[in-house]
Amino acid sequence: KAGVTQTPRYLIKTRGQQVTLSCSPISGHRSVSWYQQTPGQGLQFLFEYFSETQRNKGNFPGRFSGRQFSNSRSEMNVSTLELGDSALYLCASSLADRAASYNSPLHFGNGTRLTVT
Amino acid sequence: QQQVKQSPQSLIVQKGGISIINCAYENTAFDYFPWYQQFPGKGPALLIAIRPDVSEKKEGRFTISFNKSAKQFSLHIMDSQPGDSATYFCAAGPNQAGTALIFGKGTTLSVSS
Repeated sequence: KAGVTQTPRYLIKTRGQQVTLSCSPISGHRSVSWYQQTPGQGLQFLFEYFSETQRNKGNFPGRFSGRQFSNSRSEMNVSTLELGDSALYLCASSLADRAASYNSPLHFGNGTRLTVT
Repeated sequence: QQQVKQSPQSLIVQKGGISIINCAYENTAFDYFPWYQQFPGKGPALLIAIRPDVSEKKEGRFTISFNKSAKQFSLHIMDSQPGDSATYFCAAGPNQAGTALIFGKGTTLSVSS
């Protein structure tokens, strides 16, 4: 079974631009979560989607948005990029109707490395 | 109440030694505690997880110890190997729909041969 697939793997953007990142969950997984990983800050929760509905959102500005499609694939968008948005963006999926549980853990992709110059 | 505090930030252990990483949480609603392992260039991968109804869970060389009253849990890696060199994240969550896992800031483990 294929794992969580994130595209692209690397992105270089300029301040003020916008970017869209894509995530394909494991087949059959309906919950998709996004995390931002930066050195020293660990993984910061961005948002979680289930059945095309955003169920939870982390403490990030409105420049960060996402959506989920009927096939469970998800995209996240960052508008008006800032230097501080440089990070590894991780997508994770889980099988059940909850973001993560003992019987339905989060499975992460390898991330998209975003560099803002 | 949403924080998960992880220590140490980095750890160097000799091959064959025991690696210990500690985490503490505040939210008593948390009842799912996984540990993730991350190698450079890869996403985090689930290593081992525990529910609060048990005090210890062992899988091979990896053991989680859980202290519900102290709201602390730790990862022990026995007979540490160079291949265990990675970043380890603890996490905690309420194990219910629409909630997010909260992660610690990570521990970079180096096992010297």
